[in-house]
Amino acid sequence: QKEVEQDPGPLSVPEGAIVSLNCTYSNSAFQYFMWYRQYSRKGPELLMYTYSSGNKEDGRFTAQVDKSSKYISLFIRDSQPSDSATYLCAMSVWNQFYFGTGTSLTVIP
Amino acid sequence: DADVTQTPRNRITKTGKRIMLECSQTKGHDRMYWYRQDPGLGLQLIYYSFDVKDINKGEISDGYSVSRQAQAKFSLSLESAIPNQTALYFCATSDGASGEHTQYFGPGTRLTVL
Repeated sequence: QKEVEQDPGPLSVPEGAIVSLNCTYSNSAFQYFMWYRQYSRKGPELLMYTYSSGNKEDGRFTAQVDKSSKYISLFIRDSQPSDSATYLCAMSVWNQFYFGTGTSLTVIP
Repeated sequence: DADVTQTPRNRITKTGKRIMLECSQTKGHDRMYWYRQDPGLGLQLIYYSFDVKDINKGEISDGYSVSRQAQAKFSLSLESAIPNQTALYFCATSDGASGEHTQYFGPGTRLTVL
């Protein structure tokens, strides 16, 4: 079993839709949870990170962590064509990082 | 200017050649990492370094070596390149002193081994 599981998609939504991206994990020791956005032929760009359970909001983006269920989510409100990218979840403990395989998102104008 | 830079950005080489990929950072971070990314496999850790004198193997280090020349520089070498090393390679940094457990990535090097 992989440490981090992420549905690869692809996910296609109309502009303005609410997008939900999810990851599950198996290691209960994970402490930090991150979401990266990766545009085609670019490096991953850190979007948000959270420590422990709870929600964190930044503009149109909300990251949610449920440690009891070992489940994290990223919500994108009012999605825009510029949000079209691959989204990677990542988790860390003791400075060891584990990444999901990424979900490909396309927002259609 | 980018905080994490990688050179070259693209490289085509032949089987058996020695290749070096270079990474430099201006973020002042102590920790540096090399990953490769393949479609459907996500990011796989090759090597990481927590300071200049510390080098550690990642999950797929076979066929690769690294050198941490300075806090800001971390290079990855393929001693004898083979076609299944064709991939996108990323360097990343993190700040171990701050307690901020996040990584910052370079733009990547696209390597093709023929």
